[in-house]
Amino acid sequence: SYELTQPPSVSVSPGQTASITCSGDKLGDKYACWYQQKPGQSPVLVIYQDSKRPSGIPERFSGSNSGNTATLTISGTQAMDEADYYCQAWDSSNLYVFGTGTKVTVL
Amino acid sequence: QLQLQESGPGLVKPSETLSLTCTVSGGSISSSSYYWGWIRQPPGKGLEWIGSIYYSGSTYYNPSLKSRVTISVDTSKNQFSLKLSSVTAADTAVYYCARSGARNPFDYWGQGTLVTVSS
Repeated sequence: SYELTQPPSVSVSPGQTASITCSGDKLGDKYACWYQQKPGQSPVLVIYQDSKRPSGIPERFSGSNSGNTATLTISGTQAMDEADYYCQAWDSSNLYVFGTGTKVTVL
Repeated sequence: QLQLQESGPGLVKPSETLSLTCTVSGGSISSSSYYWGWIRQPPGKGLEWIGSIYYSGSTYYNPSLKSRVTISVDTSKNQFSLKLSSVTAADTAVYYCARSGARNPFDYWGQGTLVTVSS
């Protein structure tokens, strides 16, 4: 089955850049998206089709996808960005696949 | 503004069937542009897609759960439902309903409902 692997945790200082990776076989051949989930809340889509931001998502969120890795970048990280982040892709066999999740801590 | 709301029992006994309904408001479930899905999240763990349905009734299931899952749609009530049979403690999770486009991400989510499997 298709798997997407993320680092369990990422720490970042306020105002700095956080990068979260998502690895999967030939992931660059698929569209990747990213969700933000704060404690006790439903996930929120922050990036779709590799690098597009839904309406209302701040410009500090950006994405890329190439080879076997998709990356979510948070520039000028703020305390409010502390959350769990999940990547997700669509695979023809396994349909919707979520990544393992990354906890972003703003120190 | 589109809203999704899950409903159903919060406690299910082992070996029984978990049943949940998602009510869609602020939009039609019969829109040809969208699919309607179920995703779950065990306490403290990650997200797992369960399956999705199109308004016509076409269904797509996670291969790992396919043998136990049935998703149906009731366009007259603007609702879709999930049945998961032969549940065990491993099925304890927050269950979310959500909307997606074809092969597109989930852009609207319900608030989620916790279902505990316990005797």
